[in-house]
Amino acid sequence: DTAVSQTPKYLVTQMGNDKSIKCEQNLGHDTMYWYKQDSKKFLKIMFSYNNKELIINETVPNRFSPKSPDKAHLNLHINSLELGDSAVYFCASRLGLGADTQYFGPGTRLTVL
Amino acid sequence: AQTVTQSQPEMSVQEAETVTLSCTYDTSENNYYLFWYKQPPSRQMILVIRQEAYKQQNATENRFSVNFQKAAKSFSLKISDSQLGDTAMYFCAFMKHSLHDMRFGAGTRLTVKP
Repeated sequence: DTAVSQTPKYLVTQMGNDKSIKCEQNLGHDTMYWYKQDSKKFLKIMFSYNNKELIINETVPNRFSPKSPDKAHLNLHINSLELGDSAVYFCASRLGLGADTQYFGPGTRLTVL
Repeated sequence: AQTVTQSQPEMSVQEAETVTLSCTYDTSENNYYLFWYKQPPSRQMILVIRQEAYKQQNATENRFSVNFQKAAKSFSLKISDSQLGDTAMYFCAFMKHSLHDMRFGAGTRLTVKP
């Protein structure tokens, strides 16, 4: 009965590959997010979707493409992976515009070799 | 742009004692939310406590309480009766009332010593 789940939890891949991280929430929330946590533990928002629509698109390379097939899912696809993409990626969800608290998934540790 | 500053990269405390983690933020907004999240070695982000800016009363959750000083733009977290399981990174976060995104501080690594 995990609230926000991510797959995979660990991902090791070579430079230049394309990979996807999946996120699902069973909380009935309208808004979902992707965050990146770098090696210094700094957390930065990347994208936000509300009811499947892109709301926030921070300055990230266009190699990163989020996709929301429905309100419960927000996937992150990364093309042409680079060494600097190595990080922990967190998915989060929030009830909606009137709510405040975000609930985080367990994170996906991506290592690019 | 909103910024969140945690000036203590690392702190330690003896088990059963009290520790206070500092957080300041910069905003011109009047309505917003503030949060403390905990990230233990398992890396799961866990909400510790939240505060709505329009509420003057400081939030409290069991051993965790905040000192919210709106005029000073300060939001410190007090952990009483520290336990070994409190060892974690603690992140202060700010969110505007009308926006979707949350801005995090750089984090404070707290170690509780037996």
